[in-house]
Amino acid sequence: RKEVEQDPGPFNVPEGATVAFNCTYSNSASQSFFWYRQDCRKEPKLLMSVYSSGNEDGRFTAQLNRASQYISLLIRDSKLSDSATYLCVVNRGAAGNKLTFGGGTRVLVKP
Amino acid sequence: DTGVSQDPRHKITKRGQNVTFRCDPISEHNRLYWYRQTLGQGPEFLTYFQNEAQLEKSRLLSDRFSAERPKGSFSTLEIQRTEQGDSAMYLCASSLILASTDTQYFGPGTRLTVL
Repeated sequence: RKEVEQDPGPFNVPEGATVAFNCTYSNSASQSFFWYRQDCRKEPKLLMSVYSSGNEDGRFTAQLNRASQYISLLIRDSKLSDSATYLCVVNRGAAGNKLTFGGGTRVLVKP
Repeated sequence: DTGVSQDPRHKITKRGQNVTFRCDPISEHNRLYWYRQTLGQGPEFLTYFQNEAQLEKSRLLSDRFSAERPKGSFSTLEIQRTEQGDSAMYLCASSLILASTDTQYFGPGTRLTVL
């Protein structure tokens, strides 16, 4: 079993709609969580950190459920420019802070 | 541009050849990471440096791979005797460690194709 698992999608989303997807992680000792966005053939870019209390950044809302070991991302009022792969990322917080990535969820926003 | 830079952006080589990639981190960042990403997968950790010290290597990093960060600034990743399975995007990230967490910023990657 992979340490971080995501539905690969694609999620086909009409422009203006809301889309949400989850990721699960297996290591209960994980300490910090992130969503990165990756456009085709580009590098990953930090979208947002995920806090225990949940957090919102504009149209994006992230939630963390430690008991069930999953993280969610919700995108409201989807824009064409939101089309990308969203990578769920976990940091176990051990020495080095190396990141463990999920395989990504592909989102396609269509007019 | 004050972001992470990588060179070359693309490399095509024949099986058995050696290749070397360079990463220039964001100035003043003391941590530098190498990741590898294959098609349809998320990046996988390879190794990281704090200043010039290489502190951890993944088991993915076979003895054909070596990384250096001699002066605690830029880093190089060398692959000897390349194999077709080495074809991937090699990503470098840097961060400034503050307290116990850091935000990693990625470079554009070097896409390696081994023929």
